[in-house]
Amino acid sequence: AQSVSQHNHHVILSEAASLELGCNYSYGGTVNLFWYVQYPGQHLQLLLKYFSGDPLVKGIKGFEAEFIKSKFSFNLRKPSVQWSDTAEYFCAVNDDRGSTLGRLYFGRGTQLTVWP
Amino acid sequence: GAGVSQSPSNKVTEKGKDVELRCDPISGHTALYWYRQRLGQGLEFLIYFQGNSAPDKSGLPSDRFSAERTGESVSTLTIQRTQQEDSAVYLCASSLRYQETQYFGPGTRLLVL
Repeated sequence: AQSVSQHNHHVILSEAASLELGCNYSYGGTVNLFWYVQYPGQHLQLLLKYFSGDPLVKGIKGFEAEFIKSKFSFNLRKPSVQWSDTAEYFCAVNDDRGSTLGRLYFGRGTQLTVWP
Repeated sequence: GAGVSQSPSNKVTEKGKDVELRCDPISGHTALYWYRQRLGQGLEFLIYFQGNSAPDKSGLPSDRFSAERTGESVSTLTIQRTQQEDSAVYLCASSLRYQETQYFGPGTRLLVL
């Protein structure tokens, strides 16, 4: 089965620091990749996604992620974080295996805390 | 609003009781998914509907869990004889078609005492 690893469980940064959150997956076939964010008290929202094409994708609020197929990775980055980026971030993957088409496999999430 | 809605927002029940959780997907979305999130863990897939058929039920943890969907609209997740380990947030998502972007509802927080 597909597995998704997020290596950082809790990241604490000061405002204006740069951010990189790691995400690795296990299945070597065709994948679609997602980052979702959950702000305090709100539901999961899509931050960005990769289906095909340019492996560097840009999302909302200045976030970007790079798909590196050879490393099975889809790391999330932001050059300068803000206090309002405090949230939990989830990496998710779906793949092309017929038996599990459609389902998303999620990492355990990374809690980002940004101090003003 | 045009988002995914779920009800109830919170449910407290006693061990052994049955519960029903409801999901209203975004209008026009043919695919609907249920996930659950237990404390400190990532989201765990339960079941997926394409229209009103369920091609993938493999995530349901036991035969106490079942789900149905009426046409391409409302879905109900039923948990029979609830156990304490069923306590979790149950999330519903919908997408225009399978393998496309999934949009999540606010979830139902279930607590089994």
